Amino acid sequence: QVQLQQWGAGLLKPSETLSLTCAVYGGSFSGYYWSWIRQPPGKGLEWIGEINHSGSTNYNPSLKSRVTISVDTSKNQFSLKLSSVTAADTAVYYCARTDGYFLGVGYMDVWGKGTTVTVSS
Amino acid sequence: DIQMTQSPSSLSASVGDRVTITCRASQSISSYLNWYQQKPGKAPKLLIYAASSLQSGVPSRFSGSGSGTDFTLTISSLQPEDFATYYCQQSYSTQVTFGQGTKLEIK
Repeated sequence: QVQLQQWGAGLLKPSETLSLTCAVYGGSFSGYYWSWIRQPPGKGLEWIGEINHSGSTNYNPSLKSRVTISVDTSKNQFSLKLSSVTAADTAVYYCARTDGYFLGVGYMDVWGKGTTVTVSS
Repeated sequence: DIQMTQSPSSLSASVGDRVTITCRASQSISSYLNWYQQKPGKAPKLLIYAASSLQSGVPSRFSGSGSGTDFTLTISSLQPEDFATYYCQQSYSTQVTFGQGTKLEIK
């Protein structure tokens, strides 16, 4: 059974870079996309971007200038970096596996537990 | 971006009720529509993918329908564990977007 374990710094100051990593256990790393999604306190879900095992990425246009998603296939891990953070980036950040592209539809079927990131001076 | 609009934003219902949540896309997305359930403090859980396919392990009281721009999630007989927030998500575009959510509360 695939599990995602995520970690990273939970408290940042404005202008710093958010850095999170998600490790994949118990399943194949290739053949899927690996995604990051965030949820500000009391609000809905916002897709940040995704990457596959080859390093092909798609990003949310509203965040693209500040986001980098990378992959380390030797460790079955993928990472998120978000630069120049502000209070508006305060959120729970989730990693997830995206499956279904072979059907033409991408759905997130396995999720990490989430990491709370707070940006405050 | 493709905008996803859910209605209603919140809904009160009783155990045993039949409930329908609607999701409308700002342009046609074929059947590239997924539904998730989220409970407080937990990660979202996939319920339905490709508009009408039930994810493995999800109770059959959940069903999805629609194509193009209009989609529905139906819960045929509400159970106590179904009170949660529900989100739709489109993957027609490489720029994935979610609906704003529908909070289902106990009446």
